[in-house]
Amino acid sequence: DAKTTQPPSMDCAEGRAANLPCNHSTISGNEYVYWYRQIHSQGPQYIIHGLKNNETNEMASLIITEDRKSSTLILPHATLRDTAVYYCIGLFSGGYNKLIFGAGTRLAVHP
Amino acid sequence: KAGVTQTPRYLIKTRGQQVTLSCSPISGHRSVSWYQQTPGQGLQFLFEYFSETQRNKGNFPGRFSGRQFSNSRSEMNVSTLELGDSALYLCASSFGDAEAFFGQGTRLTVV
Repeated sequence: DAKTTQPPSMDCAEGRAANLPCNHSTISGNEYVYWYRQIHSQGPQYIIHGLKNNETNEMASLIITEDRKSSTLILPHATLRDTAVYYCIGLFSGGYNKLIFGAGTRLAVHP
Repeated sequence: KAGVTQTPRYLIKTRGQQVTLSCSPISGHRSVSWYQQTPGQGLQFLFEYFSETQRNKGNFPGRFSGRQFSNSRSEMNVSTLELGDSALYLCASSFGDAEAFFGQGTRLTVV
């Protein structure tokens, strides 16, 4: 699984877009990029995943660069409830049950 | 649809004792994974069970073991508890090649 690098912390104003970067320069061609988040004292929560194309769901958008060496998770209108640690994970198909978590990015959303 | 249920939520044990934690996956999910979360090491993969067989294993000593029953419910056991085993233990379930759903965890304190 690809090693991922994320900034340790970020701040965002409520209502603004939060853009969380992730570097995964060693990612393999068939390795997906997954994003999870963990709100304090809760279990991690799946957000979104993608392989090559940009993806969007009701929670977020995922932008993957053409060379697939980095990606950005976008929370379009951050709320206080989005304050959490966000994890970017490289994962082969079928490997969803062995998640290797890094340190993640601690996102603080301020009023 | 009920989520992943972990019991108990909190547990206090003495060094040298053993402990068993339980995880009931989402109905229909056959894969169950276990993770340990500590402030120092973060979220670490312990092992994964699928159809009553251990399919993946993390880098933990043999004191950590698990099993899965025919109804997909899983238990993990830690023998000869050490102070360093104090952690939040998380269970996740998934269906096929889909995202993992996490429980709220069991917080184990070893004194």
